[in-house]
Amino acid sequence: AQSVAQPEDQVNVAEGNPLTVKCTYSVSGNPYLFWYVQYPNRGLQFLLKYITGDNLVKGSYGFEAEFNKSQTSFHLKKPSALVSDSALYFCAVRDLRDSNYQLIWGAGTKLIIKP
Amino acid sequence: DGGITQSPKYLFRKEGQNVTLSCEQNLNHDAMYWYRQDPGQGLRLIYYSQIVNDFQKGDIAEGYSVSREKKESFPLTVTSAQKNPTAFYLCASSQTRAAETQYFGPGTRLLVL
Repeated sequence: AQSVAQPEDQVNVAEGNPLTVKCTYSVSGNPYLFWYVQYPNRGLQFLLKYITGDNLVKGSYGFEAEFNKSQTSFHLKKPSALVSDSALYFCAVRDLRDSNYQLIWGAGTKLIIKP
Repeated sequence: DGGITQSPKYLFRKEGQNVTLSCEQNLNHDAMYWYRQDPGQGLRLIYYSQIVNDFQKGDIAEGYSVSREKKESFPLTVTSAQKNPTAFYLCASSQTRAAETQYFGPGTRLLVL
């Protein structure tokens, strides 16, 4: 069965420090992987995706994520956190073998950046 | 939030009442989606539509209904059969059903009086 795990409900980071938000997945075929961000009472905004090619994907607002096939992970990273990065982050996966093209969503990780 | 609008921002439902959430997009996307978001959970798919006049049930369609009479519009009705409707409802669209990236509206929060 397809699944996505975001093992941390909340991540606390001091401003200026690097941040990592973790995501692992399980699919039977090859994955498409996504990160979205949600600010309070707002819709989700697309950050970045991995489809194929370079394992390091760069996205919006200075975020990047690394696809690791052997560890089935797609962790979101940023070298220097900003207070404005505080939000809810969702990882999602789609199995290329799924003819329904359904996205499977993680439960979300709340990122808190402290000044 | 791109070219997707949702209204109203907040909606109050009385017991036994049907309510309709609006979703409009000006992105010329073929596919549209409705998700439900509850605290501590990922998004759950209610319904999706690949083209006009076609829609399919998602994982939690019971108590909900949709229509797709125009490409731009995909309204969701929460019926009285939905016993726990309090949630944040998100509409999304993508170029096609197979397209990788979905774009989201700002959401509607539904509360029960």
